[in-house]
Amino acid sequence: SAVISQKPSRDICQRGTSLTIQCQVDSQVTMMFWYRQQPGQSLTLIATANQGSEATYESGFVIDKFPISRPNLTFSTLTVSNMSPEDSSIYLCSVANRLALQETQYFGPGTRLLVL
Amino acid sequence: KNQVEQSPQSLIILEGKNCTLQCNYTVSPFSNLRWYKQDTGRGPVSLTIMTFSENTKSNGRYTATLDADTKQSSLHITASQLSDSASYICVVRGDNYGQNFVFGPGTRLSVLP
Repeated sequence: SAVISQKPSRDICQRGTSLTIQCQVDSQVTMMFWYRQQPGQSLTLIATANQGSEATYESGFVIDKFPISRPNLTFSTLTVSNMSPEDSSIYLCSVANRLALQETQYFGPGTRLLVL
Repeated sequence: KNQVEQSPQSLIILEGKNCTLQCNYTVSPFSNLRWYKQDTGRGPVSLTIMTFSENTKSNGRYTATLDADTKQSSLHITASQLSDSASYICVVRGDNYGQNFVFGPGTRLSVLP
């Protein structure tokens, strides 16, 4: 199994500012993902963080709004830029290994963001 | 389009009772199906994972079934406890290399004393 930590666990931010969320895994993993979970909703994939290259974004999400870094196999960051109240959500980091399709996807505890 | 649907949207039961949650999917080709439990304010935690050839898998009081022909799965919770109150999410992965996971909307279960 993989143990994932996220920082910060929660934050309250003013609109127009940016917040960078960190995700740290206790072991090397092939795949890292960033999800958003709005109140009462299920998870929505923002992007796949690729080591050493640009992240792969899902439809509706762009790099200018959600820049992602992944400098190595155990760490990634997600920045929520120029925030608005609509960005208030829980942001979750997730990891999986590509070695076998039966691998489990593990989730971090999430970062709860409130934008005023 | 690959989709995962879950029913009911929410469910309230009394402690000690059993319940069954449903998941229907259209993801194709199919690789595996997982059930996650997500407590409020926490990240999802895996309960079971099943591949095409598996019909049933248990994890304590949780039993998942899979019918790959009808593309349906169920999660049965036996002798519910207050700590079972959570959202239960069905996630399906396709059989394409690197294909990401398709999440269902979840079922919100509340267990009352």
